[in-house]
Amino acid sequence: AQSVTQPDIHITVSEGASLELRCNYSYGATPYLFWYVQSPGQGLQLLLKYFSGDTLVQGIKGFEAEFKRSQSSFNLRKPSVHWSDAADYFCAVGAQSNDYKLSFGAGTTVTVRA
Amino acid sequence: GAGVSQTPSNKVTEKGKYVELRCDPISGHTALYWYRQSLGQGPEFLIYFQGTGAADDSGLPNDRFFAVRPEGSVSTLKIQRTERGDSAVYLCASSPRLAEGYEQYFGPGTRLTVT
Repeated sequence: AQSVTQPDIHITVSEGASLELRCNYSYGATPYLFWYVQSPGQGLQLLLKYFSGDTLVQGIKGFEAEFKRSQSSFNLRKPSVHWSDAADYFCAVGAQSNDYKLSFGAGTTVTVRA
Repeated sequence: GAGVSQTPSNKVTEKGKYVELRCDPISGHTALYWYRQSLGQGPEFLIYFQGTGAADDSGLPNDRFFAVRPEGSVSTLKIQRTERGDSAVYLCASSPRLAEGYEQYFGPGTRLTVT
């Protein structure tokens, strides 16, 4: 079974500063990896996904993530955060099986200070 | 276009009561998933449908939980004899098909509070 660990429960960054959110996964084969964002009162929105190919993935809202098989990691980055980036961020892994159900990490809450 | 919709957005019920939560997936999406998100946690898988059949219900916590999708579109999650521990946000997601490149689109969720 697959699982995801997000080591940071809460991160505070200044507006304009860079952001990196950590994600480590456990899965025996090549995983499908996702980052979702959840703003207060909103549903989960997909930021980016990795299935295969280029290990550096570009997403929406200026986010990118890098898949590192040797470290079982899929960290999310943004070079310059905006106040609107304050939200909960979830990393998820999907198995290459018949159901493609997702296993989510516990999430990281990002606070942006002016 | 219309996204995944869930009704009601909020549901407060008393312990022991029966509740139904509805999910309307994106038109044409064949795969439908239910997840449960407890406070401060990530979503946890409950059940998924491919068409009308429940292909994997391994995430349902016990036999008080049941879900149907009779016509392959709308789905209803049913909880009998609710308990306070069932309080959570119930999320529905749909996906165009089960294949590489799939993506799950989530609804806004139903917040269930059991008093």
